[in-house]
Amino acid sequence: DAGVIQSPRHEVTEMGQEVTLRCKPISGHDYLFWYRQTMMRGLELLIYFNNNVPIDDSGMPEDRFSAKMPNASFSTLKIQPSEPRDSAVYFCASSPTGVQPQHFGDGTRLSIL
Amino acid sequence: GDSVTQMEGPVTLSEEAFLTINCTYTATGYPSLFWYVQYPGEGLQLLLKATKADDKGSNKGFEATYRKETTSFHLEKGSVQVSDSAVYFCGAGSSGSARQLTFGSGTQLTVLP
Repeated sequence: DAGVIQSPRHEVTEMGQEVTLRCKPISGHDYLFWYRQTMMRGLELLIYFNNNVPIDDSGMPEDRFSAKMPNASFSTLKIQPSEPRDSAVYFCASSPTGVQPQHFGDGTRLSIL
Repeated sequence: GDSVTQMEGPVTLSEEAFLTINCTYTATGYPSLFWYVQYPGEGLQLLLKATKADDKGSNKGFEATYRKETTSFHLEKGSVQVSDSAVYFCGAGSSGSARQLTFGSGTQLTVLP
């Protein structure tokens, strides 16, 4: 079975540019999560969706961050404009309806110069 | 809300040594408990889980027992290998609520040959 697929695996861009991270969850999983991992703050939940609807975005750091899930097989996390402090590894995860555990993708390593 | 506290690292062991990584939780009710492992450059992978008191989760020689009386879920392995070097995350999730999956800060394990 295909796992959670994230793209790109690595992204290096300059401050002020727009960054779009992509995620394809496991088919049949109704929940999708976006996390950010840094050395200083560890693993932080940014936002999660249930059946394509954003349920809790209280972890989104500020208005520069936005996430969408236009259909059950695709989600994006966008940062505009990007800043050096956004540099981190961003993970997408999915889980079946009402059942844990969560299945993680391999992450996108983002570097903002 | 729920919280998870796990043993701070880094932990360095020799091959074939005994491993314990402590994890305690605070939660309303009785959450499901998880251990995830993260190898370099990869996402988190579920290692084992337990869903009710006194359950023992096990996988790849690792074990953890859900202890309600001490609110603990310590990870153990009798004989570690170099290939076990990774970061280990303890997690707690409220039953039926995908949102409530709280992770500890992670423990870096290095096993030397």
